[in-house]
Amino acid sequence: QVQLQQWGAGLLKPSETLSLTCAVYGESFSNYFCSWIRQPPGKGLEWIGEINHSGSTNYNPSLKSRVTLSVDTSKNQFSLKLSSVTAADTAVYYCADGDYVYWGQGTLVTVSS
Amino acid sequence: EIVLTQSPGTLSLSPGERATLSCRASQSVSSNYLAWYQHKPGQAPRLLIYGASNRATGIPDRFSGSGSGTDFTLTISRLEPEDFAVYYCQQYGSSPQTFGQGTKVEIK
Repeated sequence: QVQLQQWGAGLLKPSETLSLTCAVYGESFSNYFCSWIRQPPGKGLEWIGEINHSGSTNYNPSLKSRVTLSVDTSKNQFSLKLSSVTAADTAVYYCADGDYVYWGQGTLVTVSS
Repeated sequence: EIVLTQSPGTLSLSPGERATLSCRASQSVSSNYLAWYQHKPGQAPRLLIYGASNRATGIPDRFSGSGSGTDFTLTISRLEPEDFAVYYCQQYGSSPQTFGQGTKVEIK
Protein backbone atom coordinates (compact mmCIF):
# COMPACT_ATOMS: atom_id res chain seq x y z
CA GLN A 1 0.00 0.00 0.00
CA VAL A 2 1.36 3.39 -0.99
CA GLN A 3 1.95 5.85 1.82
CA LEU A 4 3.44 9.31 1.91
CA GLN A 5 4.72 10.32 5.32
CA GLN A 6 5.90 13.85 5.93
CA TRP A 7 7.62 15.60 8.79
CA GLY A 8 9.38 18.83 9.69
CA ALA A 9 9.46 21.72 12.13
CA GLY A 10 6.05 23.15 12.94
CA LEU A 11 7.02 26.47 14.50
CA LEU A 12 9.35 28.97 12.90
CA LYS A 13 10.36 32.57 13.47
CA PRO A 14 10.20 35.15 10.69
CA SER A 15 13.20 35.00 8.33
CA GLU A 16 13.93 31.33 9.14
CA THR A 17 13.84 28.52 6.60
CA LEU A 18 10.97 26.06 6.47
CA SER A 19 12.13 22.50 5.90
CA LEU A 20 9.85 19.51 5.28
CA THR A 21 10.54 15.94 4.14
CA CYS A 22 8.17 13.51 2.46
CA ALA A 23 8.98 9.79 2.39
CA VAL A 24 7.37 7.44 -0.11
CA TYR A 25 6.57 3.87 0.94
CA GLY A 26 5.16 1.01 -1.09
CA GLU A 27 5.76 2.50 -4.51
CA SER A 28 8.53 2.24 -7.04
CA PHE A 29 10.50 5.45 -6.90
CA SER A 30 11.46 5.40 -10.55
CA ASN A 31 9.37 7.78 -12.67
CA TYR A 32 7.92 9.25 -9.49
CA PHE A 33 6.74 12.83 -9.20
CA CYS A 34 6.11 14.68 -5.97
CA SER A 35 4.09 17.86 -5.68
CA TRP A 36 3.91 20.22 -2.73
CA ILE A 37 0.74 22.11 -1.90
CA ARG A 38 -0.16 24.39 0.99
CA GLN A 39 -3.32 25.76 2.58
CA PRO A 40 -3.19 28.89 4.75
CA PRO A 41 -5.75 28.98 7.58
CA GLY A 42 -9.20 29.68 6.23
CA LYS A 43 -8.00 29.86 2.65
CA GLY A 44 -7.78 27.62 -0.39
CA LEU A 45 -5.09 25.37 -1.80
CA GLU A 46 -1.91 26.72 -3.40
CA TRP A 47 0.45 24.71 -5.57
CA ILE A 48 4.07 25.22 -4.55
CA GLY A 49 5.84 23.11 -7.13
CA GLU A 50 6.82 19.64 -8.25
CA ILE A 51 9.90 17.50 -8.61
CA ASN A 52 10.55 14.14 -10.22
CA HIS A 53 12.80 11.29 -9.17
CA SER A 54 15.69 12.63 -11.26
CA GLY A 55 15.49 16.08 -9.70
CA SER A 56 13.76 18.07 -12.43
CA THR A 57 11.71 20.81 -10.86
CA ASN A 58 8.85 23.13 -11.69
CA TYR A 59 8.01 25.95 -9.30
CA ASN A 60 5.13 28.33 -8.81
CA PRO A 61 6.52 31.71 -9.92
CA SER A 62 4.96 33.34 -6.86
CA LEU A 63 7.32 31.37 -4.60
CA LYS A 64 10.14 30.48 -6.97
CA SER A 65 12.71 32.85 -5.47
CA ARG A 66 12.37 31.24 -2.03
CA VAL A 67 11.60 27.56 -2.76
CA THR A 68 13.95 24.65 -3.26
CA LEU A 69 12.69 21.13 -3.94
CA SER A 70 15.08 18.22 -3.78
CA VAL A 71 15.10 14.44 -3.88
CA ASP A 72 17.11 11.73 -2.13
CA THR A 73 16.68 8.59 -4.20
CA SER A 74 18.64 6.46 -1.74
CA LYS A 75 15.97 7.11 0.88
CA ASN A 76 12.90 7.50 -1.38
CA GLN A 77 12.43 10.97 0.04
CA PHE A 78 11.54 14.40 -1.30
CA SER A 79 12.21 17.65 0.52
CA LEU A 80 10.86 21.20 0.51
CA LYS A 81 12.75 24.25 1.70
CA LEU A 82 11.20 27.71 1.84
CA SER A 83 13.49 30.51 2.88
CA SER A 84 12.83 33.84 4.58
CA VAL A 85 9.44 32.83 5.90
CA THR A 86 6.90 35.36 7.15
CA ALA A 87 3.52 35.04 8.83
CA ALA A 88 1.99 34.75 5.35
CA ASP A 89 3.70 31.37 5.00
CA THR A 90 1.72 29.96 7.92
CA ALA A 91 -0.19 27.04 6.42
CA VAL A 92 -0.74 23.32 6.33
CA TYR A 93 1.79 21.91 3.89
CA TYR A 94 1.11 18.72 1.96
CA CYS A 95 3.16 16.50 -0.29
CA ALA A 96 1.34 14.43 -2.90
CA ASP A 97 2.26 12.03 -5.67
CA GLY A 98 2.27 13.29 -9.23
CA ASP A 99 -1.25 12.02 -9.86
CA TYR A 100 -2.54 13.48 -6.59
CA VAL A 101 -3.94 10.11 -5.59
CA TYR A 102 -1.73 9.73 -2.53
CA TRP A 103 -1.09 12.55 -0.10
CA GLY A 104 0.95 13.07 3.00
CA GLN A 105 -0.90 13.69 6.22
CA GLY A 106 -0.16 17.40 6.17
CA THR A 107 2.09 19.47 8.43
CA LEU A 108 0.94 22.69 10.07
CA VAL A 109 3.75 25.22 9.93
CA THR A 110 3.27 28.35 11.99
CA VAL A 111 5.49 31.40 11.58
CA SER A 112 5.45 33.62 14.63
CA SER A 113 7.89 35.78 16.52
CA GLU B 1 -1.58 31.72 -15.00
CA ILE B 2 -5.03 30.18 -15.33
CA VAL B 3 -7.50 31.49 -12.77
CA LEU B 4 -10.23 29.06 -11.74
CA THR B 5 -13.46 30.52 -10.40
CA GLN B 6 -15.80 28.19 -8.55
CA SER B 7 -19.47 28.82 -7.94
CA PRO B 8 -21.39 28.96 -5.80
CA GLY B 9 -19.22 29.70 -2.79
CA THR B 10 -21.57 27.75 -0.56
CA LEU B 11 -24.25 25.23 -1.45
CA SER B 12 -26.84 24.42 1.23
CA LEU B 13 -28.56 21.12 0.48
CA SER B 14 -30.19 18.19 2.22
CA PRO B 15 -29.05 14.56 2.08
CA GLY B 16 -30.47 12.89 -1.00
CA GLU B 17 -30.46 16.07 -3.05
CA ARG B 18 -28.38 16.69 -6.17
CA ALA B 19 -25.37 19.00 -6.02
CA THR B 20 -24.03 20.83 -9.04
CA LEU B 21 -20.71 22.65 -8.66
CA SER B 22 -19.18 24.87 -11.32
CA CYS B 23 -15.57 25.66 -12.16
CA ARG B 24 -14.80 28.25 -14.81
CA ALA B 25 -11.29 28.83 -16.16
CA SER B 26 -9.90 32.16 -17.35
CA GLN B 27 -8.52 30.37 -20.42
CA SER B 28 -8.88 26.97 -21.96
CA VAL B 29 -7.55 24.11 -19.84
CA SER B 30 -5.00 22.15 -21.83
CA SER B 31 -6.15 18.63 -22.71
CA ASN B 32 -8.98 19.02 -20.19
CA TYR B 33 -6.49 18.42 -17.42
CA LEU B 34 -9.02 19.37 -14.76
CA ALA B 35 -9.40 17.59 -11.44
CA TRP B 36 -11.86 17.76 -8.55
CA TYR B 37 -11.06 17.14 -4.88
CA GLN B 38 -13.07 16.69 -1.73
CA HIS B 39 -11.52 18.24 1.37
CA LYS B 40 -12.59 17.70 4.95
CA PRO B 41 -11.11 19.40 8.04
CA GLY B 42 -8.01 17.69 9.37
CA GLN B 43 -7.66 15.47 6.32
CA ALA B 44 -5.71 15.63 3.09
CA PRO B 45 -7.69 16.43 -0.05
CA ARG B 46 -9.14 13.39 -1.79
CA LEU B 47 -8.98 13.08 -5.57
CA LEU B 48 -12.44 12.50 -7.03
CA ILE B 49 -12.18 13.26 -10.74
CA TYR B 50 -9.26 13.68 -13.15
CA GLY B 51 -9.18 14.53 -16.82
CA ALA B 52 -12.47 16.40 -16.31
CA SER B 53 -14.62 13.28 -16.30
CA ASN B 54 -12.69 10.24 -15.07
CA ARG B 55 -13.51 8.97 -11.60
CA ALA B 56 -10.50 8.11 -9.47
CA THR B 57 -10.19 4.60 -8.10
CA GLY B 58 -12.70 3.84 -5.38
CA ILE B 59 -14.83 6.93 -5.93
CA PRO B 60 -18.58 6.20 -5.84
CA ASP B 61 -20.47 6.63 -9.10
CA ARG B 62 -22.69 9.31 -7.59
CA PHE B 63 -19.75 11.64 -8.33
CA SER B 64 -19.42 12.67 -11.95
CA GLY B 65 -17.46 15.30 -13.79
CA SER B 66 -18.15 16.95 -17.10
CA GLY B 67 -17.11 19.87 -19.25
CA SER B 68 -14.31 20.98 -21.48
CA GLY B 69 -12.37 24.07 -22.47
CA THR B 70 -13.21 26.65 -19.83
CA ASP B 71 -16.38 25.32 -18.19
CA PHE B 72 -16.46 22.30 -15.93
CA THR B 73 -19.00 20.77 -13.59
CA LEU B 74 -18.91 18.34 -10.70
CA THR B 75 -22.22 16.65 -9.98
CA ILE B 76 -23.10 14.64 -6.90
CA SER B 77 -26.27 12.83 -7.86
CA ARG B 78 -27.59 12.10 -4.37
CA LEU B 79 -25.82 13.61 -1.39
CA GLU B 80 -24.79 11.22 1.35
CA PRO B 81 -24.00 12.51 4.86
CA GLU B 82 -20.28 12.00 4.26
CA ASP B 83 -20.33 14.20 1.15
CA PHE B 84 -20.69 17.47 3.06
CA ALA B 85 -17.27 19.05 2.63
CA VAL B 86 -15.35 21.62 0.60
CA TYR B 87 -14.71 20.83 -3.06
CA TYR B 88 -11.87 22.24 -5.14
CA CYS B 89 -11.16 22.14 -8.83
CA GLN B 90 -7.57 22.16 -10.09
CA GLN B 91 -6.05 22.57 -13.52
CA TYR B 92 -2.79 20.73 -14.11
CA GLY B 93 -2.39 21.30 -17.83
CA SER B 94 -0.47 24.55 -17.57
CA SER B 95 2.19 25.74 -15.19
CA PRO B 96 1.69 26.94 -12.57
CA GLN B 97 -0.99 24.50 -11.60
CA THR B 98 -3.86 26.35 -9.97
CA PHE B 99 -6.84 25.61 -7.74
CA GLY B 100 -10.22 27.22 -7.51
CA GLN B 101 -11.19 28.92 -4.27
CA GLY B 102 -13.51 26.09 -3.28
CA THR B 103 -17.22 25.40 -2.89
CA LYS B 104 -18.52 24.42 0.52
CA VAL B 105 -21.37 21.92 0.45
CA GLU B 106 -23.18 22.25 3.76
CA ILE B 107 -26.19 20.58 5.30
CA LYS B 108 -29.35 22.62 4.94
